[in-house]
Amino acid sequence: GAGVSQSPSNKVTEKGKDVELRCDPISGHTALYWYRQSLGQGLEFLIYFQGNSAPDKSGLPSDRFSAERTGGSVSTLTIQRTQQEDSAVYLCASSLGWTEVEKLFFGSGTQLSVL
Amino acid sequence: KQEVTQIPAALSVPEGENLVLNCSFTDSAIYNLQWFRQDPGKGLTSLLLIQSSQREQTSGRLNASLDKSSGRSTLYIAASQPGDSATYLCAVKGGNKLVFGAGTILRVKS
Repeated sequence: GAGVSQSPSNKVTEKGKDVELRCDPISGHTALYWYRQSLGQGLEFLIYFQGNSAPDKSGLPSDRFSAERTGGSVSTLTIQRTQQEDSAVYLCASSLGWTEVEKLFFGSGTQLSVL
Repeated sequence: KQEVTQIPAALSVPEGENLVLNCSFTDSAIYNLQWFRQDPGKGLTSLLLIQSSQREQTSGRLNASLDKSSGRSTLYIAASQPGDSATYLCAVKGGNKLVFGAGTILRVKS
């Protein structure tokens, strides 16, 4: 595609429910990242994929968070039993590869609100 | 643990003024440094990427410098315009991820 696409753009859910956030990276990009941006905070790294494997999951805040990537393309971030502190903008980014010259391209994000 | 700090947190300038945004980082073992722009409700747009072996990069009215040994970068914006109003984020790459600063909110008044 022309850019990184994320869906839904907005998600309102009740505390305790599970949510799935989707990211469709730029075609051909092998590296994919998930970040979280809370109100007034900087971007917090969650997880990184190279192809379908996730060599770095160090940023996932708890075991309620998981992510997968299939076919080296679309990725899904799942949050189980959502809590109010999970409310944030979840941003996905992709890059062609993993060298020092690779720029990251970001999607517009999913605004998650947990009531 | 890498920490990235941006100063100032917010800046308001009249149109036409030249300005400098500052970024500092604690661990000089980086692969590259990137400057991004974020508009309200939008994702991030990459402005400039400086590799660890480079000293600066230029794109139009933007110039970014990197002093890896001192852990500093600056983003220089020449002849600022109201359309430059946005949040500017600095990020350094080490290992598998980019570590971001909290950003500088820039407002250019017409």
